[in-house]
Amino acid sequence: AQKITQTQPGMFVQEKEAVTLDCTYDTSDPSYGLFWYKQPSSGEMIFLIYQGSYDQQNATEGRYSLNFQKARKSANLVISASQLGDSAMYFCAMREGRSNYQLIWGAGTKLIIKP
Amino acid sequence: EAQVTQNPRYLITVTGKKLTVTCSQNMNHEYMSWYRQDPGLGLRQIYYSMNVEVTDKGDVPEGYKVSRKEKRNFPLILESPSPNQTSLYFCASSSGSGGGQPQHFGDGTRLSIL
Repeated sequence: AQKITQTQPGMFVQEKEAVTLDCTYDTSDPSYGLFWYKQPSSGEMIFLIYQGSYDQQNATEGRYSLNFQKARKSANLVISASQLGDSAMYFCAMREGRSNYQLIWGAGTKLIIKP
Repeated sequence: EAQVTQNPRYLITVTGKKLTVTCSQNMNHEYMSWYRQDPGLGLRQIYYSMNVEVTDKGDVPEGYKVSRKEKRNFPLILESPSPNQTSLYFCASSSGSGGGQPQHFGDGTRLSIL
């Protein structure tokens, strides 16, 4: 069974609009963490934001925020006021266990921002 | 500058010719990992290492070897490459504190096996 599911293979969004990228996960471990990475067309992987399972508040980093709904096992990435430079692949990944550094990855969502 | 360095960035080679992709990190990280990325499949882990001389298989280890003789280096070896190993490869490293510490990635190595 898929542990990380990103249901949107691709999205087109108008510049300056907010974007929500979906990520659902499956784990029975009470301690876990969720990461979002951005991969522009140049290929590098850029860390965006992290949410721990015990974190009381949703994580935010600048224009990025994480809509964490634990009961629904979803960790959606929200990008406010999208920019052309946000066009990229976005990956959701999960760490299970407090000290396990291995990540389980989703298949990614290709986001294209239209001018 | 803190970074993970992979070499080469691009390589076209032929079936059966042994190759090594080097990976080096300057952040004194304990954990290092190799992934391959294929369209529609996300990143799949090949091998990982928790520390020097400690390595373990990931999800897709067949056809690959690794070694961790020094903390900073984690080379990926393809003893007899085949066309199904054509892919984009990433090396990553992370500190030993787990939690929210992100994995830091190299810029990737695009490998084509003819």
